[in-house]
Amino acid sequence: EAGVAQSPRYKIIEKRQSVAFWCNPISGHATLYWYQQILGQGPKLLIQFQNNGVVDDSQLPKDRFSAERLKGVDSTLKIQPAKLEDSAVYLCASSLREAQYFGPGTRLLVL
Amino acid sequence: SQELEQSPQSLIVQEGKNLTINCTSSKTLYGLYWYKQKYGEGLIFLMMLQKGGEEKSHEKITAKLDEKKQQSSLHITASQPSHAGIYLCGADISRGTGNQFYFGTGTSLTVIP
Repeated sequence: EAGVAQSPRYKIIEKRQSVAFWCNPISGHATLYWYQQILGQGPKLLIQFQNNGVVDDSQLPKDRFSAERLKGVDSTLKIQPAKLEDSAVYLCASSLREAQYFGPGTRLLVL
Repeated sequence: SQELEQSPQSLIVQEGKNLTINCTSSKTLYGLYWYKQKYGEGLIFLMMLQKGGEEKSHEKITAKLDEKKQQSSLHITASQPSHAGIYLCGADISRGTGNQFYFGTGTSLTVIP
């Protein structure tokens, strides 16, 4: 079974630039999550989708972050404009029932 | 404030030794998950505990859930270098508006050959 795919794996941008991350969940998994993991901390949930609807985006900084999951499969997470404090690993996960399966993450560095 | 606290923050053990990592919640837990993370890789699901008193094992790793204490422990028997990594607990925690999933602070494990 193919796992959760994410791209790119690494991204370096300057502050105030825009960036987008892509996630392809495990086939058949209705729930998709985006997490932000800052170095030395546990992952923080940014947004949770159930199919193409948003379940929880309470911790998403909506002034600069946006996410969509068109057609209830792939998802993109965008940051516009990026700040220095956005430097982190962005993890995508999907689940069918309870257990979440994670992708390798996208490591973002904002200079 | 951190919803899930893990202890210890880091652990260095000699190969072959046993070790225990704890995960404690300040609020009611609804499902407790253990993950392992290696540098540059995503999280790997280890096991899930749902009921108080539940205990699960996978190879040399055993996890228990003490619902009354709102705590879970992860025990590794006869540790090996392949066990090295960061162990994270995650749980659905009750909030006023419903449950939300949180991760613990993480425990970094180093196993010395």
